[in-house]
Amino acid sequence: AQSVTQPDIHITVSEGASLELRCNYSYGATPYLFWYVQSPGQGLQLLLKYFSGDTLVQGIKGFEAEFKRSQSSFNLRKPSVHWSDAAEYFCAVGWGAQKLVFGQGTRLTINP
Amino acid sequence: GAVVSQHPSWVICKSGTSVKIECRSLDFQATTMFWYRQFPKQSLMLMATSNEGSKATYEQGVEKDKFLINHASLTLSTLTVTSAHPEDSSFYICSARDPNGDTQYFGPGTRLTVL
Repeated sequence: AQSVTQPDIHITVSEGASLELRCNYSYGATPYLFWYVQSPGQGLQLLLKYFSGDTLVQGIKGFEAEFKRSQSSFNLRKPSVHWSDAAEYFCAVGWGAQKLVFGQGTRLTINP
Repeated sequence: GAVVSQHPSWVICKSGTSVKIECRSLDFQATTMFWYRQFPKQSLMLMATSNEGSKATYEQGVEKDKFLINHASLTLSTLTVTSAHPEDSSFYICSARDPNGDTQYFGPGTRLTVL
């Protein structure tokens, strides 16, 4: 069965520090890959997505993610976090027009 | 672009009553919408896939008679929680798949509390 793993439940970084959130998936073929962000009590906002082509994708709010086929990973990065980046981050995978499978989420806390 | 709205944003109801939640794609047509449920500090659990003009497809374990889904137009899907009980209290989020069929855009969610 398809699965998505976000190994880190909670990450704390200092404002201005770099960030990397990990995501691994399990499936035979390369799926469509997404990162969403959720603020408390809110819906999900799409940060970026990968379907094919360049394995380094740029998203909104200064985020980027790199697809590594050999590692079945799609890690999210940001060179310098801001206090407003504190939120829950979800990695999700889908296959064509099929439903999404979500990871468990990583809660990001920013220290001033 | 790609804005999805939900109404209401929160609702409190008495046990045994029914509650309807609306999901609208505001600036695109969505033949497919999805309904999710999210428990505190947990990920999203897909409840059902809503297809315009046809019956919804429910995930295993989701009671179709309890969670009625109607997708009567290309911009509106509704979820009705029938005979609600306290255990139905949760955060319900909908999403709409864009016309290209490859990205889901999410609504802001509806907080349901059943007393």
